[in-house]
Formats: sequence, C-alpha cells, structure tokens
Amino acid sequence: DARVTQTPRHKVTEMGQEVTMRCQPILGHNTVFWYRQTMMQGLELLAYFRNRAPLDDSGMPKDRFSAEMPDATLATLKIQPSEPRDSAVYFCASGLVPRDWVLTDTQYFGPGTRLTVL
Amino acid sequence: GNSVTQMEGPVTLSEEAFLTINCTYTATGYPSLFWYVQYPGEGLQLLLKATKADDKGSNKGFEATYRKETTSFHLEKGSVQVSDSAVYFCALNSGGSNYKLTFGKGTLLTVNP
Repeated sequence: DARVTQTPRHKVTEMGQEVTMRCQPILGHNTVFWYRQTMMQGLELLAYFRNRAPLDDSGMPKDRFSAEMPDATLATLKIQPSEPRDSAVYFCASGLVPRDWVLTDTQYFGPGTRLTVL
Repeated sequence: GNSVTQMEGPVTLSEEAFLTINCTYTATGYPSLFWYVQYPGEGLQLLLKATKADDKGSNKGFEATYRKETTSFHLEKGSVQVSDSAVYFCALNSGGSNYKLTFGKGTLLTVNP
C-alpha cells in the first residue's frame, strides 16, 4: 500500500530556530505539493514541483521559507528563522501528472507535520 | 480565478440521518471536481471525484454529481455513521498546465450515536 511519508510528525521549537520537514512521495509520482493548514486560513498551497523542478512557490513567504527536491524520493520544506505564526500542520502530497498535463488523478496526502513554534 | 465555496459548518447529525454538504465553484475551462475527507489527526484522503459534466462520483455510500449548469458538486449520503465524523473538503483542478487543487474551507461533520 503506497503512501506518502512525512517526518517528523510533531515538532516543537523556539522562535528563531531552523525547522526542516521532509517528505517521501509515492514512488513513481512526478509532482509534489506542500500545504499548510491552520484553523484561521484553512488549507493553503505553499509550493509545488513537477519532475523535481519548482513550478510555483507563490504561496510561500520567500524570506524565510524554502522548498527543494534533492532527488525524486525526497522533498524538503525549511523555515529559517521560524516564528510563532508558522505554527500549523504542514502536509505534503504527491501525484502523477501525465504528459497532457491534466490533473485528473488525485493528490495523495501524507499524515502531516504538526509544527509548534514557541 | 478559481474558487470553491462550501457550506459553513459544523454539521451535527444523528446516526442514519441523511447528509448533504453543498459545494459550488468558480473556474475557467472544464475543471475536475473532488471531495476529500480528513479524519482527526490524519492527512486528507480522496473520497470521490468527477472529471466532466454530469459525471457522478461515488465511494463508501457517498455520492456527488458534477452539475455544470449550477456549478455545483454537492456531497450526499443516505445514512451516515459515527465513523463518518470528519472534515470534508470540496476541491477543483482546472487542468491545463495548472496542477493546483483549489480547496474549499472544509466542513466539519459530527455524527452522534
């Protein structure tokens, strides 16, 4: 049963510290998404990649957030320095976008990383 | 731009009651439509989808029909169970080179025994 995995599941840190969240997409998927979920804002798309290339990171605060895919099996989201307003659940999702570029298939979500910044 | 509007929650029902969660959308082109479900402490899971007008998506007793004329994709279930308690998200993807899903704000459903 293929699944998206995320680590860590929970992270508590102090303001100003660097936070790195990791995601392993489903093998064979070529698109990876990062979302943030809060009570106030709901589910927000931060960034996404296709074939490891960043396609859109307009939802991400550029000064402190960065997203990368060092290889096809690993996506990372870093926050440096972290702030209390970054406290949220961060989800990674992966999907397969075929050559015609139409996302008719689903995105598969990981269990999330619950981040608390004190 | 694309947008999804869901009925405000929370929704509280008794077991075996009928469920409707309304969803309407605004999109360019011919979007694909989705319902996702999020159980407590978990990520979102696809519940059902429809990729063209008049398609009906169904899964686990839930159904939704893609209505282009009313730009709606309402979720229904004839008899809910306690285990259906979760947050339900309506979403769309407008296709083309845009891979993004646009989500509604979610509707919390609580089913009491």
